[in-house]
Amino acid sequence: EADIYQTPRYLVIGTGKKITLECSQTMGHDKMYWYQQDPGMELHLIHYSYGVNSTEKGDLSSESTVSRIRTEHFPLTLESARPSHTSQYLCASSVRQGSGGYTFGSGTRLTVV
Amino acid sequence: AQSVAQPEDQVNVAEGNPLTVKCTYSVSGNPYLFWYVQYPNRGLQFLLKYITGDNLVKGSYGFEAEFNKSQTSFHLKKPSALVSDSALYFCAVRDNNAGNMLTFGGGTRLMVKP
Repeated sequence: EADIYQTPRYLVIGTGKKITLECSQTMGHDKMYWYQQDPGMELHLIHYSYGVNSTEKGDLSSESTVSRIRTEHFPLTLESARPSHTSQYLCASSVRQGSGGYTFGSGTRLTVV
Repeated sequence: AQSVAQPEDQVNVAEGNPLTVKCTYSVSGNPYLFWYVQYPNRGLQFLLKYITGDNLVKGSYGFEAEFNKSQTSFHLKKPSALVSDSALYFCAVRDNNAGNMLTFGGGTRLMVKP
């Protein structure tokens, strides 16, 4: 079944560690997105990609980086985690054209201690 | 630039009563409008969308939304709320002249009490 997958679902990690949040989709979508979600619920776009080898920064400045080497894979990396990075991270994808919206993954809840 | 406003951080309603979650938008072209729902510790799930046609759009779980062009609104409604409807609701807009990027509202927490 076509879907979008995020791993891990939950992650508790120490300050200074390097982490990669995985996001993969099996729908062949060109565009992919990473959102950071406040405890207060608002969504903030931190990165997006139009396709392979395309990455752009979103509205919210983030110390994370992303890569898009394959269409289906859009990992997010934090080189040195800090407590301020504690948040829910949501990955989404969409087709390049058409009237559809986004398909979201289940999210990764990251806690940096 | 496109924008979305959800004026209520939280909506409280008793089970069995009708519910409305408000959304207003601003786009330069014709809007594509969406509602998503988020349950605890989950991603957003698509509920319904308005592209063109009838102003009343029906979606999943008995929800519907009414597009009002003159008021630039797209309010989410349900005739009879269930406790299980308690969740976060996000409205989103896409300017169909500006690519495929959605702009999300700040979200509204719906609390349905027994």
